[in-house]
Amino acid sequence: DTAVSQTPKYLVTQMGNDKSIKCEQNLGHDTMYWYKQDSKKFLKIMFSYNNKELIINETVPNRFSPKSPDKAHLNLHINSLELGDSAVYFCASSQLLGSRTQYFGPGTRLLVL
Amino acid sequence: QQQVKQSPQSLIVQKGGISIINCAYENTAFDYFPWYQQFPGKGPALLIAIRPDVSEKKEGRFTISFNKSAKQFSLHIMDSQPGDSATYFCAASDTDKLIFGTGTRLQVFP
Repeated sequence: DTAVSQTPKYLVTQMGNDKSIKCEQNLGHDTMYWYKQDSKKFLKIMFSYNNKELIINETVPNRFSPKSPDKAHLNLHINSLELGDSAVYFCASSQLLGSRTQYFGPGTRLLVL
Repeated sequence: QQQVKQSPQSLIVQKGGISIINCAYENTAFDYFPWYQQFPGKGPALLIAIRPDVSEKKEGRFTISFNKSAKQFSLHIMDSQPGDSATYFCAASDTDKLIFGTGTRLQVFP
């Protein structure tokens, strides 16, 4: 039983393209997150949503736009991809806003050529 | 701005030894300190966490030691096993936003 799933697992694309990453959680959690892990493995939060409402928006370029169609899904759309966007993107979820325990998905490895 | 500093960057331990990873934080408002374990190609998974009202928490071979006055906390892995080889991240939060350390790559050799 997959708790937090992401698609695709790997994404290789050209600079300038637009791409989306999808995340779904079947834990019944209210809060979902996107993290970016760079080549040095540093993990940094990008966004969080609670019940489809944006809560955290770190200083992320506005080429990145999260969308939450319902509380079980949080997708990440990236416009005009740049080389520096190459990273592993992790989705996570937690039970409630303010719950500290976060469950991470397996990651999406994005390579921009 | 690195609010959570983690050391060492890498650690090599022999099977059966003790692995110790240290973290220091700056924000005194932090009130939740988890450790995450990440295997290659996988997402981070919560290992153990502590709140600042206790100085130590133990779960099996994993222990967190917490020093509130020094603003430091550490992970001790007793009887380290090759299966413990992974990257370990400390983190801290005062809300639902986790601030991660830079990670420690642990290798346990038989």
